[in-house]
Amino acid sequence: EVQLVESGGGLVQPGRSLRLSCTGSGFTFGDYSMSWFRQAPGKGLEWVGFIRSKAYGGTTEYAASVKGRFTISRDDSKSIAYLQMNSLKTEDTAVYYCTRTTMVTPEDYWGQGTQVTVSS
Amino acid sequence: DIVMTQTPLSSPVTLGQPASISCRSSQSLVHRDGNTYLSWLQQRPGQPPRLLIYKISNRFSGVPDRFSGSGAGTDFTLKISRVEAEDVGIYYCMQATQFPRTFGQGTKVEIK
Repeated sequence: EVQLVESGGGLVQPGRSLRLSCTGSGFTFGDYSMSWFRQAPGKGLEWVGFIRSKAYGGTTEYAASVKGRFTISRDDSKSIAYLQMNSLKTEDTAVYYCTRTTMVTPEDYWGQGTQVTVSS
Repeated sequence: DIVMTQTPLSSPVTLGQPASISCRSSQSLVHRDGNTYLSWLQQRPGQPPRLLIYKISNRFSGVPDRFSGSGAGTDFTLKISRVEAEDVGIYYCMQATQFPRTFGQGTKVEIK
């Protein structure tokens, strides 16, 4: 069974950093690209960024709203994707989801999400 | 960025009756590989999103056949043939043809 579990969320002050993890199981993690999305309270879904599998260069893409502040990386030996979030702003408050993605079935599995609250 | 526009934003439906949601993109979603990466996602209350339909009309694993997708180019539709109580939630269309991925505003399906 494919599972994705996000962790690392919490309450953080504006300007500080936080690192989220997404641990995958039930599939060969290294074969898949991974994405991060977020959902602010009572709002719709927003794409945050994407990391390709190593077979496709392991390169990344980011939303304009987070580019230069957020970094996605992966450790295939541990089946984990990371979202490093720096210079956090109050508007980054959201539930953050990771997804598995393929060209055939983009965003086919979603984790349960982890809450990030940026507040002083 | 590709703008995705859904209608209606709210859809009260009687149990057992059909429901239909439209999604329009600001530009063609046909990828250079010839595929159209338009997906539909369901988000039940308090739950993460779940993939229902990918590439316009393909039902994902485990999705009931009362859900169907259609369309082409810039105009797409999700249909639920007979709404059941478990279908209550918000439905999003999403394009994965180009970055950034973008979503419709969401359509809330509720029971009358």
